Amino acid sequence: GAVVSQHPSRVICKSGTSVKIECRSLDFQATTMFWYRQFPKQSLMLMATSNEGSKATYEQGVEKDKFLINHASLTLSTLTVTSAHPEDSSFYICRAGTGGPSTEAFFGQGTRLTVV
Amino acid sequence: GENVEQHPSTLSVQEGDSAVIKCTYSDSASNYFPWYKQELGKGPQLIIDIRSNVGEKKDQRIAVTLNKTAKHFSLHITETQPEDSAVYFCAAHSTGTASKLTFGTGTRLQVTL
Repeated sequence: GAVVSQHPSRVICKSGTSVKIECRSLDFQATTMFWYRQFPKQSLMLMATSNEGSKATYEQGVEKDKFLINHASLTLSTLTVTSAHPEDSSFYICRAGTGGPSTEAFFGQGTRLTVV
Repeated sequence: GENVEQHPSTLSVQEGDSAVIKCTYSDSASNYFPWYKQELGKGPQLIIDIRSNVGEKKDQRIAVTLNKTAKHFSLHITETQPEDSAVYFCAAHSTGTASKLTFGTGTRLQVTL
């Protein structure tokens, strides 16, 4: 399958600071990027969907000003958690797709964010 | 929107036995059903998928069945091995919604020696 590289795998930051997570598709063009959040022992919850060159579409309840998504190229999307708080601590996972319906997409390795 | 239910939440089997995980979905327009395996601290990995025009698909020890009428699909793992221990998620994809997947709640599979 295609390779999606997500970095960092783990990050610890202080409350009030911002953290950027990168997601790269290494061998294909990702026209669509999905960002998920996963709490311990729970399922994946979609946060937002972004298409290359367009503004991200956020799911209900997700603050767009807090979780900034940039998808400026077909191989890179970033998620920035701004002014992080301990309740933002979670496992964040990107998923890159080539777009279109019924198309499989590939997950990154995930980023464990801990806000202290 | 789509709603996916998954059962059981935990499953313990002995090595060599079979494991079956079942999911139901609500949106009859869903047409793509992937299964993911997630190991601790890692992202989900696609292990098998099935599209709505197919009733069954098999890949070595893993098989998936789909019943569109009943709107349910199942994952079957035969001859389980300890390395099969992980959390498994089913998902359903609805058409016309920009490739949006809805995930089940996950099944923690433990294969014991």
